[in-house]
Amino acid sequence: DAKTTQPPSMDCAEGRAANLPCNHSTISGNEYVYWYRQIHSQGPQYIIHGLKNNETNEMASLIITEDRKSSTLILPHATLRDTAVYYCIVRVASNFGNEKLTFGTGTRLTIIP
Amino acid sequence: GAVVSQHPSWVICKSGTSVKIECRSLDFQATTMFWYRQFPKQSLMLMATSNEGSKATYEQGVEKDKFLINHASLTLSTLTVTSAHPEDSSFYICSASWQGAINQPQHFGDGTRLSIL
Repeated sequence: DAKTTQPPSMDCAEGRAANLPCNHSTISGNEYVYWYRQIHSQGPQYIIHGLKNNETNEMASLIITEDRKSSTLILPHATLRDTAVYYCIVRVASNFGNEKLTFGTGTRLTIIP
Repeated sequence: GAVVSQHPSWVICKSGTSVKIECRSLDFQATTMFWYRQFPKQSLMLMATSNEGSKATYEQGVEKDKFLINHASLTLSTLTVTSAHPEDSSFYICSASWQGAINQPQHFGDGTRLSIL
């Protein structure tokens, strides 16, 4: 799976949009971009994933550049509960359910009151 | 949404004890379960992948005789840390997925914090 690069840490004011970047310049055509987050002392929580089109759900939006070499996760109105480590992961497409996720170091997002 | 439950959430044991951790998928049939380990201030490291009814596939450097994985049903996988020692103290996390819908995400349990004295 392609390697991803994320800034180690970011701060964001409560109520503002948090924009978390991820570079995946070696992504292959059959690899999706997944975002997970891990709140302290809990298991990772799935947020969103996409291939090449922008995606939105109740938690966040995912913007993928046209060349697919980078993406941005957007939390539209950050709250203190969004403080967590955010992981950007690329993974091959499959319907077998047995593909690994390789976690990098992620971005530690701190929401400031 | 899909729910994965881990038990126990916290365990403290004496060195030399064997510890069993359970991972259950509560509302779906998990054809595949994954076991991760996370040391303080580090990222998750995959230990092994287990498919229901077959032997687990271990990542390089993970001792299969030390970390016994059983996935005998579509809703339960267990990880047994045999003869645990202080260096095995860590946060163990399982995840589960199912065959079918393409690119469906893995769903994670809330982890088990293991402390070996």
